[in-house]
Amino acid sequence: GENVEQHPSTLSVQEGDSAVIKCTYSDSASNYFPWYKQELGKGPQLIIDIRSNVGEKKDQRIAVTLNKTAKHFSLHITETQPEDSAVYFCAASLGGGFKTIFGAGTRLFVKA
Amino acid sequence: EPEVTQTPSHQVTQMGQEVILRCVPISNHLYFYWYRQILGQKVEFLVSFYNNEISEKSEIFDDQFSVERPDGSNFTLKIRSTKLEDSAMYFCASSGRGLAHEQFFGPGTRLTVL
Repeated sequence: GENVEQHPSTLSVQEGDSAVIKCTYSDSASNYFPWYKQELGKGPQLIIDIRSNVGEKKDQRIAVTLNKTAKHFSLHITETQPEDSAVYFCAASLGGGFKTIFGAGTRLFVKA
Repeated sequence: EPEVTQTPSHQVTQMGQEVILRCVPISNHLYFYWYRQILGQKVEFLVSFYNNEISEKSEIFDDQFSVERPDGSNFTLKIRSTKLEDSAMYFCASSGRGLAHEQFFGPGTRLTVL
């Protein structure tokens, strides 16, 4: 079945620096890759997503890149702020998106 | 802004008891999902539901689990005979027409099985 690996498990950066989180997926039929931010005590919140027909997508300080050949996708956060501190999950889903597999999560600490 | 709601926020039950977790998806959404997250671990897919039937389910979603959309607004997850290892946070999610992939998550129900 589909498997999603995520690294690193913990990431600590200084405010203003960039943060990069990387994921790989196993099923080449996956075609939708969302990223979620989860704050303490809350449900995951979609922050950006990318479909398999696109190599890169950017939304203000957040960007995601996708390499379909290598089955890699990455989240880039620039100019990090303390409020970016949270757990970030990558995910991959097939076809109609009926089944979404999550990575293990990255706990991001942004130090002021 | 419309949001997914879940009740109760915390459910404590004895092992072997049945529990029903309730969700109210965003009103015009057509696709519904349940996930669980054991404390400190990844979010795990349980089941997806569309057009009044299960679309996909994971190996976790065995005969002890069932889902139902009893009316036009609620979406429920039933666990027939809870086990200690069912203790987790359960999240409901929904996604809408034309955006079948973008899922909006509720705040979760924390289930504690004693």
